[in-house]
Amino acid sequence: QKEVEQNSGPLSVPEGAIASLNCTYSDRGSQSFFWYRQYSGKSPELIMFIYSNGDKEDGRFTAQLNKASQYVSLLIRDSQPSDSATYLCAVNTGNQFYFGTGTSLTVIP
Amino acid sequence: DTGVSQNPRHKITKRGQNVTFRCDPISEHNRLYWYRQTLGQGPEFLTYFQNEAQLEKSRLLSDRFSAERPKGSFSTLEIQRTEQGDSAMYLCATRARQGNYNEQFFGPGTRLTVL
Repeated sequence: QKEVEQNSGPLSVPEGAIASLNCTYSDRGSQSFFWYRQYSGKSPELIMFIYSNGDKEDGRFTAQLNKASQYVSLLIRDSQPSDSATYLCAVNTGNQFYFGTGTSLTVIP
Repeated sequence: DTGVSQNPRHKITKRGQNVTFRCDPISEHNRLYWYRQTLGQGPEFLTYFQNEAQLEKSRLLSDRFSAERPKGSFSTLEIQRTEQGDSAMYLCATRARQGNYNEQFFGPGTRLTVL
């Protein structure tokens, strides 16, 4: 079993809709959780991180963490075409970060 | 721009040659990571430094790979006797000095192509 699993997609949503991205992790000792956005050919760019159960909002982005279910999600409200990218979920356990394979999101104008 | 720089940005080499990549971290970040990313995959951990000490190294990393971080500043990643399977994006990321909840910031990466 991989440490971090994401649906690879592709996920398509119309402009203005809510995009929902999901991630599960295997190590209950994981301490913090990160969402990165990656455009084609570029390096990952941090969007948000979360380490407490519940929701954390930053602008159009909301991260949700449920440690009991070992589940992390990212909601993107009012999706824009510029949000089209691959979204990587990363989990920090000790000194290491484990990444999922990413979910490809396309926002259709 | 995150403040993490990597050089070169692109490297094309022939199979069997050695290559070396450099990462310059954000100055106050004492923790530094190297990752490898291939198409359609997430970044894969290679090694981790805290200051100049290499504290963790992936068991997937063959003996052809070596990394250094002299004086706890910049870091280099060397691949000896490159193989076509080494073709990938090599990413460096750095992390602030303290805390388990600090994010890491990535450099722009070095794309390696082995012919």
